[in-house]
Amino acid sequence: EAQVTQNPRYLITVTGKKLTVTCSQNMNHEYMSWYRQDPGLGLRQIYYSMNVEVTDKGDVPEGYKVSRKEKRNFPLILESPSPNQTSLYFCASSLDWAWGLGGANVLTFGAGSRLTVL
Amino acid sequence: SQQGEEDPQALSIQEGENATMNCSYKTSINNLQWYRQNSGRGLVHLILIRSNEREKHSGRLRVTLDTSKKSSSLLITASRAADTASYFCATVLDTGRRALTFGSGTRLQVQP
Repeated sequence: EAQVTQNPRYLITVTGKKLTVTCSQNMNHEYMSWYRQDPGLGLRQIYYSMNVEVTDKGDVPEGYKVSRKEKRNFPLILESPSPNQTSLYFCASSLDWAWGLGGANVLTFGAGSRLTVL
Repeated sequence: SQQGEEDPQALSIQEGENATMNCSYKTSINNLQWYRQNSGRGLVHLILIRSNEREKHSGRLRVTLDTSKKSSSLLITASRAADTASYFCATVLDTGRRALTFGSGTRLQVQP
């Protein structure tokens, strides 16, 4: 089944304890992105990747790191989590970014990772 | 303010009724997409409409796009309890940013 898989789905951690949220897609997609969703603020992009070894900042990159060493994986790293990073995180992928230029490819989202930082 | 503002923020209807949600945006767009999110779950793509299209159908969904008014609407006909979800429009704010920007969403509650 074509899908985007995120892990963990739920995590409670403490301030300063490094954590990684993994994201993997099995659709050979070039474009991958991380969003966070907060009440009243909607979905905001954290980082995106156009292809292997190509990553760039989104709207809210502070406190996060990403890497894209393989096409299928795009982990989100919180080096020193803080309570304001408590949120629902989504990984998404697309065949390419052609939708941004009028193409018809769309984003496929993972099921989400609910992170609580105490 | 955010690109893609939905209206209303919340909508409650009875099963069988139609639900209409509106989305406004501020810049020129190549296409506009609608997504659905069940409570706390991932978003699922519903329909994409290109800037040169005025109307598009998919099953019980009908999307319209008025580029002169910079607005789009999503109509769900003959709604079912299973349609209860949040619905988001999404556009590309700036092609240089490689991001799909989502609106704040409309929460739809369909009462059985």
